[in-house]
Amino acid sequence: GQNIDQPTEMTATEGAIVQINCTYQTSGFNGLFWYQQHAGEAPTFLSYNVLDGLEEKGRFSSFLSRSKGYSYLLLKELQMKDSASYLCAVRDLGGGATNKLIFGTGTLLAVQP
Amino acid sequence: GAVVSQHPSWVICKSGTSVKIECRSLDFQATTMFWYRQFPKQSLMLMATSNEGSKATYEQGVEKDKFLINHASLTLSTLTVTSAHPEDSSFYICSARGAESDFGPGTRLTVT
Repeated sequence: GQNIDQPTEMTATEGAIVQINCTYQTSGFNGLFWYQQHAGEAPTFLSYNVLDGLEEKGRFSSFLSRSKGYSYLLLKELQMKDSASYLCAVRDLGGGATNKLIFGTGTLLAVQP
Repeated sequence: GAVVSQHPSWVICKSGTSVKIECRSLDFQATTMFWYRQFPKQSLMLMATSNEGSKATYEQGVEKDKFLINHASLTLSTLTVTSAHPEDSSFYICSARGAESDFGPGTRLTVT
């Protein structure tokens, strides 16, 4: 089966650092994505990892370990506007499907003053 | 700017009626588009893969006769929710071009 797990909710303080974890078990793997989604809006792309290691983009970084089926999104210098849901998604090529994205349950992050 | 558009952005319809949602790729040709559904406080669930010029591929549990998908051109896919019921009220989102970074803005459907 396919399974992507994230914590349901997290709380952090403005200016701090927060790490959102994602573990996955999928029949195929061709990349892992992180998205930010504000209430009532579509997801916006944050990062993409296909090889092991850390990808950094400004205040956001994402890490991938394929052998462990694990990724995390690191948000630095948190701002109030970072309060949103963060979705982990795996591109799964299992079963002949092309570019299917399987989404995790999402993590609702609340940034407090 | 946005590369995938959806229309309408929101729609309210009565139970039993049909609603059509359009997904357009704005500056590229998309042989494949994806339709997702998101219920409140839940994540995105892939409903179907829309293939230009051929039948859509539906995910397990999604009724193909209820959610009609047409991908007649390289820039347009449509999702028609037939005989809509209140439980179909949801946020419908499309994406294109492998499309990991190209989601449409979504369509909020409310069935009364």
